[in-house]
Formats: sequence, structure tokens, C-alpha cells
Amino acid sequence: NAGVTQTPKFRVLKTGQSMTLLCAQDMNHEYMYWYRQDPGMGLRLIHYSVGEGTTAKGEVPDGYNVSRLKKQNFLLGLESAAPSQTSVYFCASRGGTGGFEQYFGPGTRLTVT
Amino acid sequence: AQSVTQPDIHITVSEGASLELRCNYSYGATPYLFWYVQSPGQGLQLLLKYFSGDTLVQGIKGFEAEFKRSQSSFNLRKPSVHWSDAAEYFCAVGAWTGGFKTIFGAGTRLFVKA
Repeated sequence: NAGVTQTPKFRVLKTGQSMTLLCAQDMNHEYMYWYRQDPGMGLRLIHYSVGEGTTAKGEVPDGYNVSRLKKQNFLLGLESAAPSQTSVYFCASRGGTGGFEQYFGPGTRLTVT
Repeated sequence: AQSVTQPDIHITVSEGASLELRCNYSYGATPYLFWYVQSPGQGLQLLLKYFSGDTLVQGIKGFEAEFKRSQSSFNLRKPSVHWSDAAEYFCAVGAWTGGFKTIFGAGTRLFVKA
């Protein structure tokens, strides 16, 4: 039982390049989230999904797109990376009932030069 | 909508000393309250949570937190800190506002000195 995994762990992009971050969970969770973490700002929600085939905008969605084609996977895309997107990205998931706590992946450190 | 404040950006305590990390929230009703810990280079891990019932909640790693409705607080405590407790701690507030939403505080970084 791996929990929540993220790929890749590190990435360096040049301005204007694109990339996709992959999040996978093996807990059969309905809800999945993408956050970015910047110093002194805590976690800010980018996009989330309440189930397979659904996505919704969070607090800071601009410049990002997401897809949830399979229940266990949640992809975060950057179409044209900007230096302001340099951050640590975390994926999380939670079940549809019960405790409402989220389970986090180990993070992806992205640097955009 | 709910909000959460962690007044201390960082705290330094000596190993073996007691610890209290502050968390204040704003919400019209009793929210769902969480404390998470993030070790360097890791994701967040749940320490404990409160939804209802006994206002003193026990968590993992010897941590506890107390919900005080009158003060809108959910402070995290540990009687004796170990060097391995050095990490960043996040308080989070969950509430039903057009779906269940969780807001995270900015975090408090704990330094432990020998």
C-alpha cells in the first residue's frame, strides 16, 4: 500500500516549457487535490477533483490545468511555465466519508528558470 | 468561509522542554480541526483531528491538542520535545461551505536545541 505517490520528485524547466505532474493513490479515494507550497504562505489549493472525470478550480488555478481520467490518478499540467510557478507541489487525497483528513504525497520540487 | 491563523512563524525549544503551538480559527460553527506535521523534504502527515466530543484530543508521536470554543483555538501541545520533532506544523480548518473545504494555516517551524 503505497498511499499517495508523485512523479517526478524534482524538475527544472525553462520559461515557456510545458510539463505534467502525476499523482497516483491506491486508497480508492474519491477526492484529490493539488497544492503549491511557498515559503511563509502555507499550502494553497490549485485544483481539486471530487471524483473520476470531474475537476474544479481552487484558490490559485491560473496557469495550471488538471485531468482526472482515472479515479486513482490526478494530473497537473503547466502549459507554459513561468518563474512564478517555481514551488513545491503536493498532491493529496481523501475518502468520501469518515474523517475528512487528507493524505499527502512526498511532493515535487519544480524550478522554472 | 473559514480562516485559520498560526501566530508564530517559528519557535525554538530545548530538547525535553514542553511545547505549545498556537492555532486560531474563524468560523461560525464548530469546524473540523486538524494538525499536520511536515518533516524536511516530506509531505504532510496527520497528527490529530477534532470533530466533536472530548475537547482534548490525543494524536500520534505523543502530541495532544485542546479545542477551546470560547477562544476559537486549537493549540497543539507536547510535554517533552525530542530532537526528531523538529519540523513544520500546520493547523487546518475544515468546514462545509458549498462542499467540504479545508484551509491550511501558514505553518509554524519548530527548532529543537540540544
